[in-house]
Amino acid sequence: QSALTQPASVSGSPGQSITISCTGTSSDLGGYNYVSWYQQHPGKAPKLMIYDVSHRPSGVSYRFSGSKSGNTASLTISGLQAEDEADYYCSSYTSSSTVIFGGGTKVTVL
Amino acid sequence: EVQLVESGGGLIQPRGSLRLSCAASGFTVSSNYMSWVRQAPGKGLEWVSVIYSGGRTYYADSVKGRFTISRDNSKNTLSLQMNSLRAEDTAVYYCARAPDWDLNAFDIWGQGTMVTVSS
Repeated sequence: QSALTQPASVSGSPGQSITISCTGTSSDLGGYNYVSWYQQHPGKAPKLMIYDVSHRPSGVSYRFSGSKSGNTASLTISGLQAEDEADYYCSSYTSSSTVIFGGGTKVTVL
Repeated sequence: EVQLVESGGGLIQPRGSLRLSCAASGFTVSSNYMSWVRQAPGKGLEWVSVIYSGGRTYYADSVKGRFTISRDNSKNTLSLQMNSLRAEDTAVYYCARAPDWDLNAFDIWGQGTMVTVSS
C-alpha cells in the first residue's frame, strides 16, 4: 500500500498560519476518522499532535488544529513559532486493519 | 512515569535474525494496542506491525512472513522477532502505544533502537 501523500515542504514566517495536506483513499483516510498527526524534531521520537482528525492530546498547543474533507486531511499551525520547525507526518487506519503514514512534510519557519 | 524503552538493535548481516524488545512502565502493554514503527535513515515513518489487546496481530506487507510481534504480559514487554533481514530493513525501530479506543493514535513512543543490516 502506498504512503499517504503530503507536500515535501511548507514554510511560513513567524506569526503566520500554514496548512499541511495529507491525501489518501477511501480505503484509508477517506473511510475512517482515525487520522493522526505527528511532529518530529531531528533525532527525536515523534510526538502525537492530533488524533481522530481534530482532537488535541493534553499539553498540545491550541495553535495546532486538524480537519478532514473526503480523502484529504489537513493540519493547520496558526501563529507559527520557531519551535514549530520540524517534520510532520499524518497517519491513518486502513481497511486492512493496518496503519499507513504519509511521506512527511518539513516545516520551515522563515 | 509512563515510558517505553527499546533494546536489541545492532549490526546484523543480510539474511540474519534479530530480536527487539520494548519494556513498558507506567501502563499495561496487554491493555493497549502496541505497534512497531520504523524510520530508515533520512526517510519517513513506516508502520511495521501491531498487536491488539486481544492478541490479534497485523503486519505491513514489507515484513509479512519475516517479522513476528509478540508480548510478554508477565514482564510487560513487547518484542519483534525479525528474520531474513534485508538491507532495506535498516532503520530506527520505535515501539509505540496506542490507547485501546484508537490504534492509530500513538501517544507514547520509545527512544528507538537502530538496526543496521549490512555485510
